[in-house]
Amino acid sequence: AQTVTQSQPEMSVQEAETVTLSCTYDTSESDYYLFWYKQPPSRQMILVIRQEAYKQQNATENRFSVNFQKAAKSFSLKISDSQLGDAAMYFCAYRSPFGGANSKLTFGKGITLSVRP
Amino acid sequence: GAGVSQTPSNKVTEKGKYVELRCDPISGHTALYWYRQSLGQGPEFLIYFQGTGAADDSGLPNDRFFAVRPEGSVSTLKIQRTERGDSAVYLCASSLDIGTSGTQYFGPGTRLLVL
Repeated sequence: AQTVTQSQPEMSVQEAETVTLSCTYDTSESDYYLFWYKQPPSRQMILVIRQEAYKQQNATENRFSVNFQKAAKSFSLKISDSQLGDAAMYFCAYRSPFGGANSKLTFGKGITLSVRP
Repeated sequence: GAGVSQTPSNKVTEKGKYVELRCDPISGHTALYWYRQSLGQGPEFLIYFQGTGAADDSGLPNDRFFAVRPEGSVSTLKIQRTERGDSAVYLCASSLDIGTSGTQYFGPGTRLLVL
């Protein structure tokens, strides 16, 4: 079974600075999908970014980028120019490459990010 | 509707009671997932529907939990004889593809409190 580990329960960043959130995972599959989701106090889980393991290039979405290290099974999220609206819980998630019954997400415990004005 | 909706937003019940939680997926999404999120934890998978059928119910904790999706759209998660340990946020997600690339879109969840 796959596992996802987020070992930092909390992080804080100054507004406009850069912060990196860590995630490691364990799997025996060679291909898979990785995600970062944001969950503000409203509880709505919002997709931030996704990475396909077969792609060497790190995914980027505006101020959000990932550092995907497949051999190390590491998938960190970098938030540049942090904004007050970035404050939320962030979850790292894994998905098998197969569809259907194998398409469920496996989440880490999450990290609470606070942004200081 | 623009996104996944869930009702009720909050539900308080007494131990031993029966509850139903509803999920309205994004129109046209064939895949539907239920997850449970306990306080301070990440969501944990409960059950997955492809159309009307439960393709994977391996995450349901015991036989007090049951879910249906009779017409392939709205789904209802049913919990019998609720226990205090069932208190959590129940999240629903839907996906367009049944293939390998479907992104899951989440609803705002139902917070269940069992007294």
